[in-house]
Amino acid sequence: ETGVTQSPTHLIKTRGQQVTLRCSSQSGHNTVSWYQQALGQGPQFIFQYYREEENGRGNFPPRFSGLQFPNYSSELNVNALELDDSALYLCASSLRTASTGELFFGEGSRLTVL
Amino acid sequence: RKEVEQDPGPFNVPEGATVAFNCTYSNSASQSFFWYRQDCRKEPKLLMSVYSSGNEDGRFTAQLNRASQYISLLIRDSKLSDSATYLCAVRGNRDDKIIFGKGTRLHILP
Repeated sequence: ETGVTQSPTHLIKTRGQQVTLRCSSQSGHNTVSWYQQALGQGPQFIFQYYREEENGRGNFPPRFSGLQFPNYSSELNVNALELDDSALYLCASSLRTASTGELFFGEGSRLTVL
Repeated sequence: RKEVEQDPGPFNVPEGATVAFNCTYSNSASQSFFWYRQDCRKEPKLLMSVYSSGNEDGRFTAQLNRASQYISLLIRDSKLSDSATYLCAVRGNRDDKIIFGKGTRLHILP
């Protein structure tokens, strides 16, 4: 196990609603990255947080936002949900000072938007 | 050109055979390279990092070709349990994001 935990594991929302997904990093890791993975696709980078600040963002609209807390846990918020937001949302933690900075993933939160 | 490209497969390979995947990347300044394995409806798990000199872990061998901007994964003596999707991942520099390919699906046939 990676030690990265995510909640909730599954959730169903309707269009226009808002959702908050949560992630606890592996102990000792200071960086959190969020990815969206649609069925049959690779993980798409949403953003990364380091020391509570956003440190890189992928091609996602502003209605995708996040937070990192002093204990390095993190939240992903999505406003005004659209049908295409249905996906597996993956949180990954890493250690910035590590030589290669491998990502270690949680089990993901599977979001269905109806 | 996409940042990281992989042949999606599927590769249908008999048990015991050797199979190889390639992955190309567009950013010549990329510094770190990885192969992840993802089982159906599960999270990606790190299979191995890829080092400049190439590296081996049991039946798995990874190679990096910076001149041609590709990395490869070789699986020898394939097992039924190797059936999964293999994701190639690339990082620009230590602080940069890690970009994934779409993955290559592998089916090992009994």
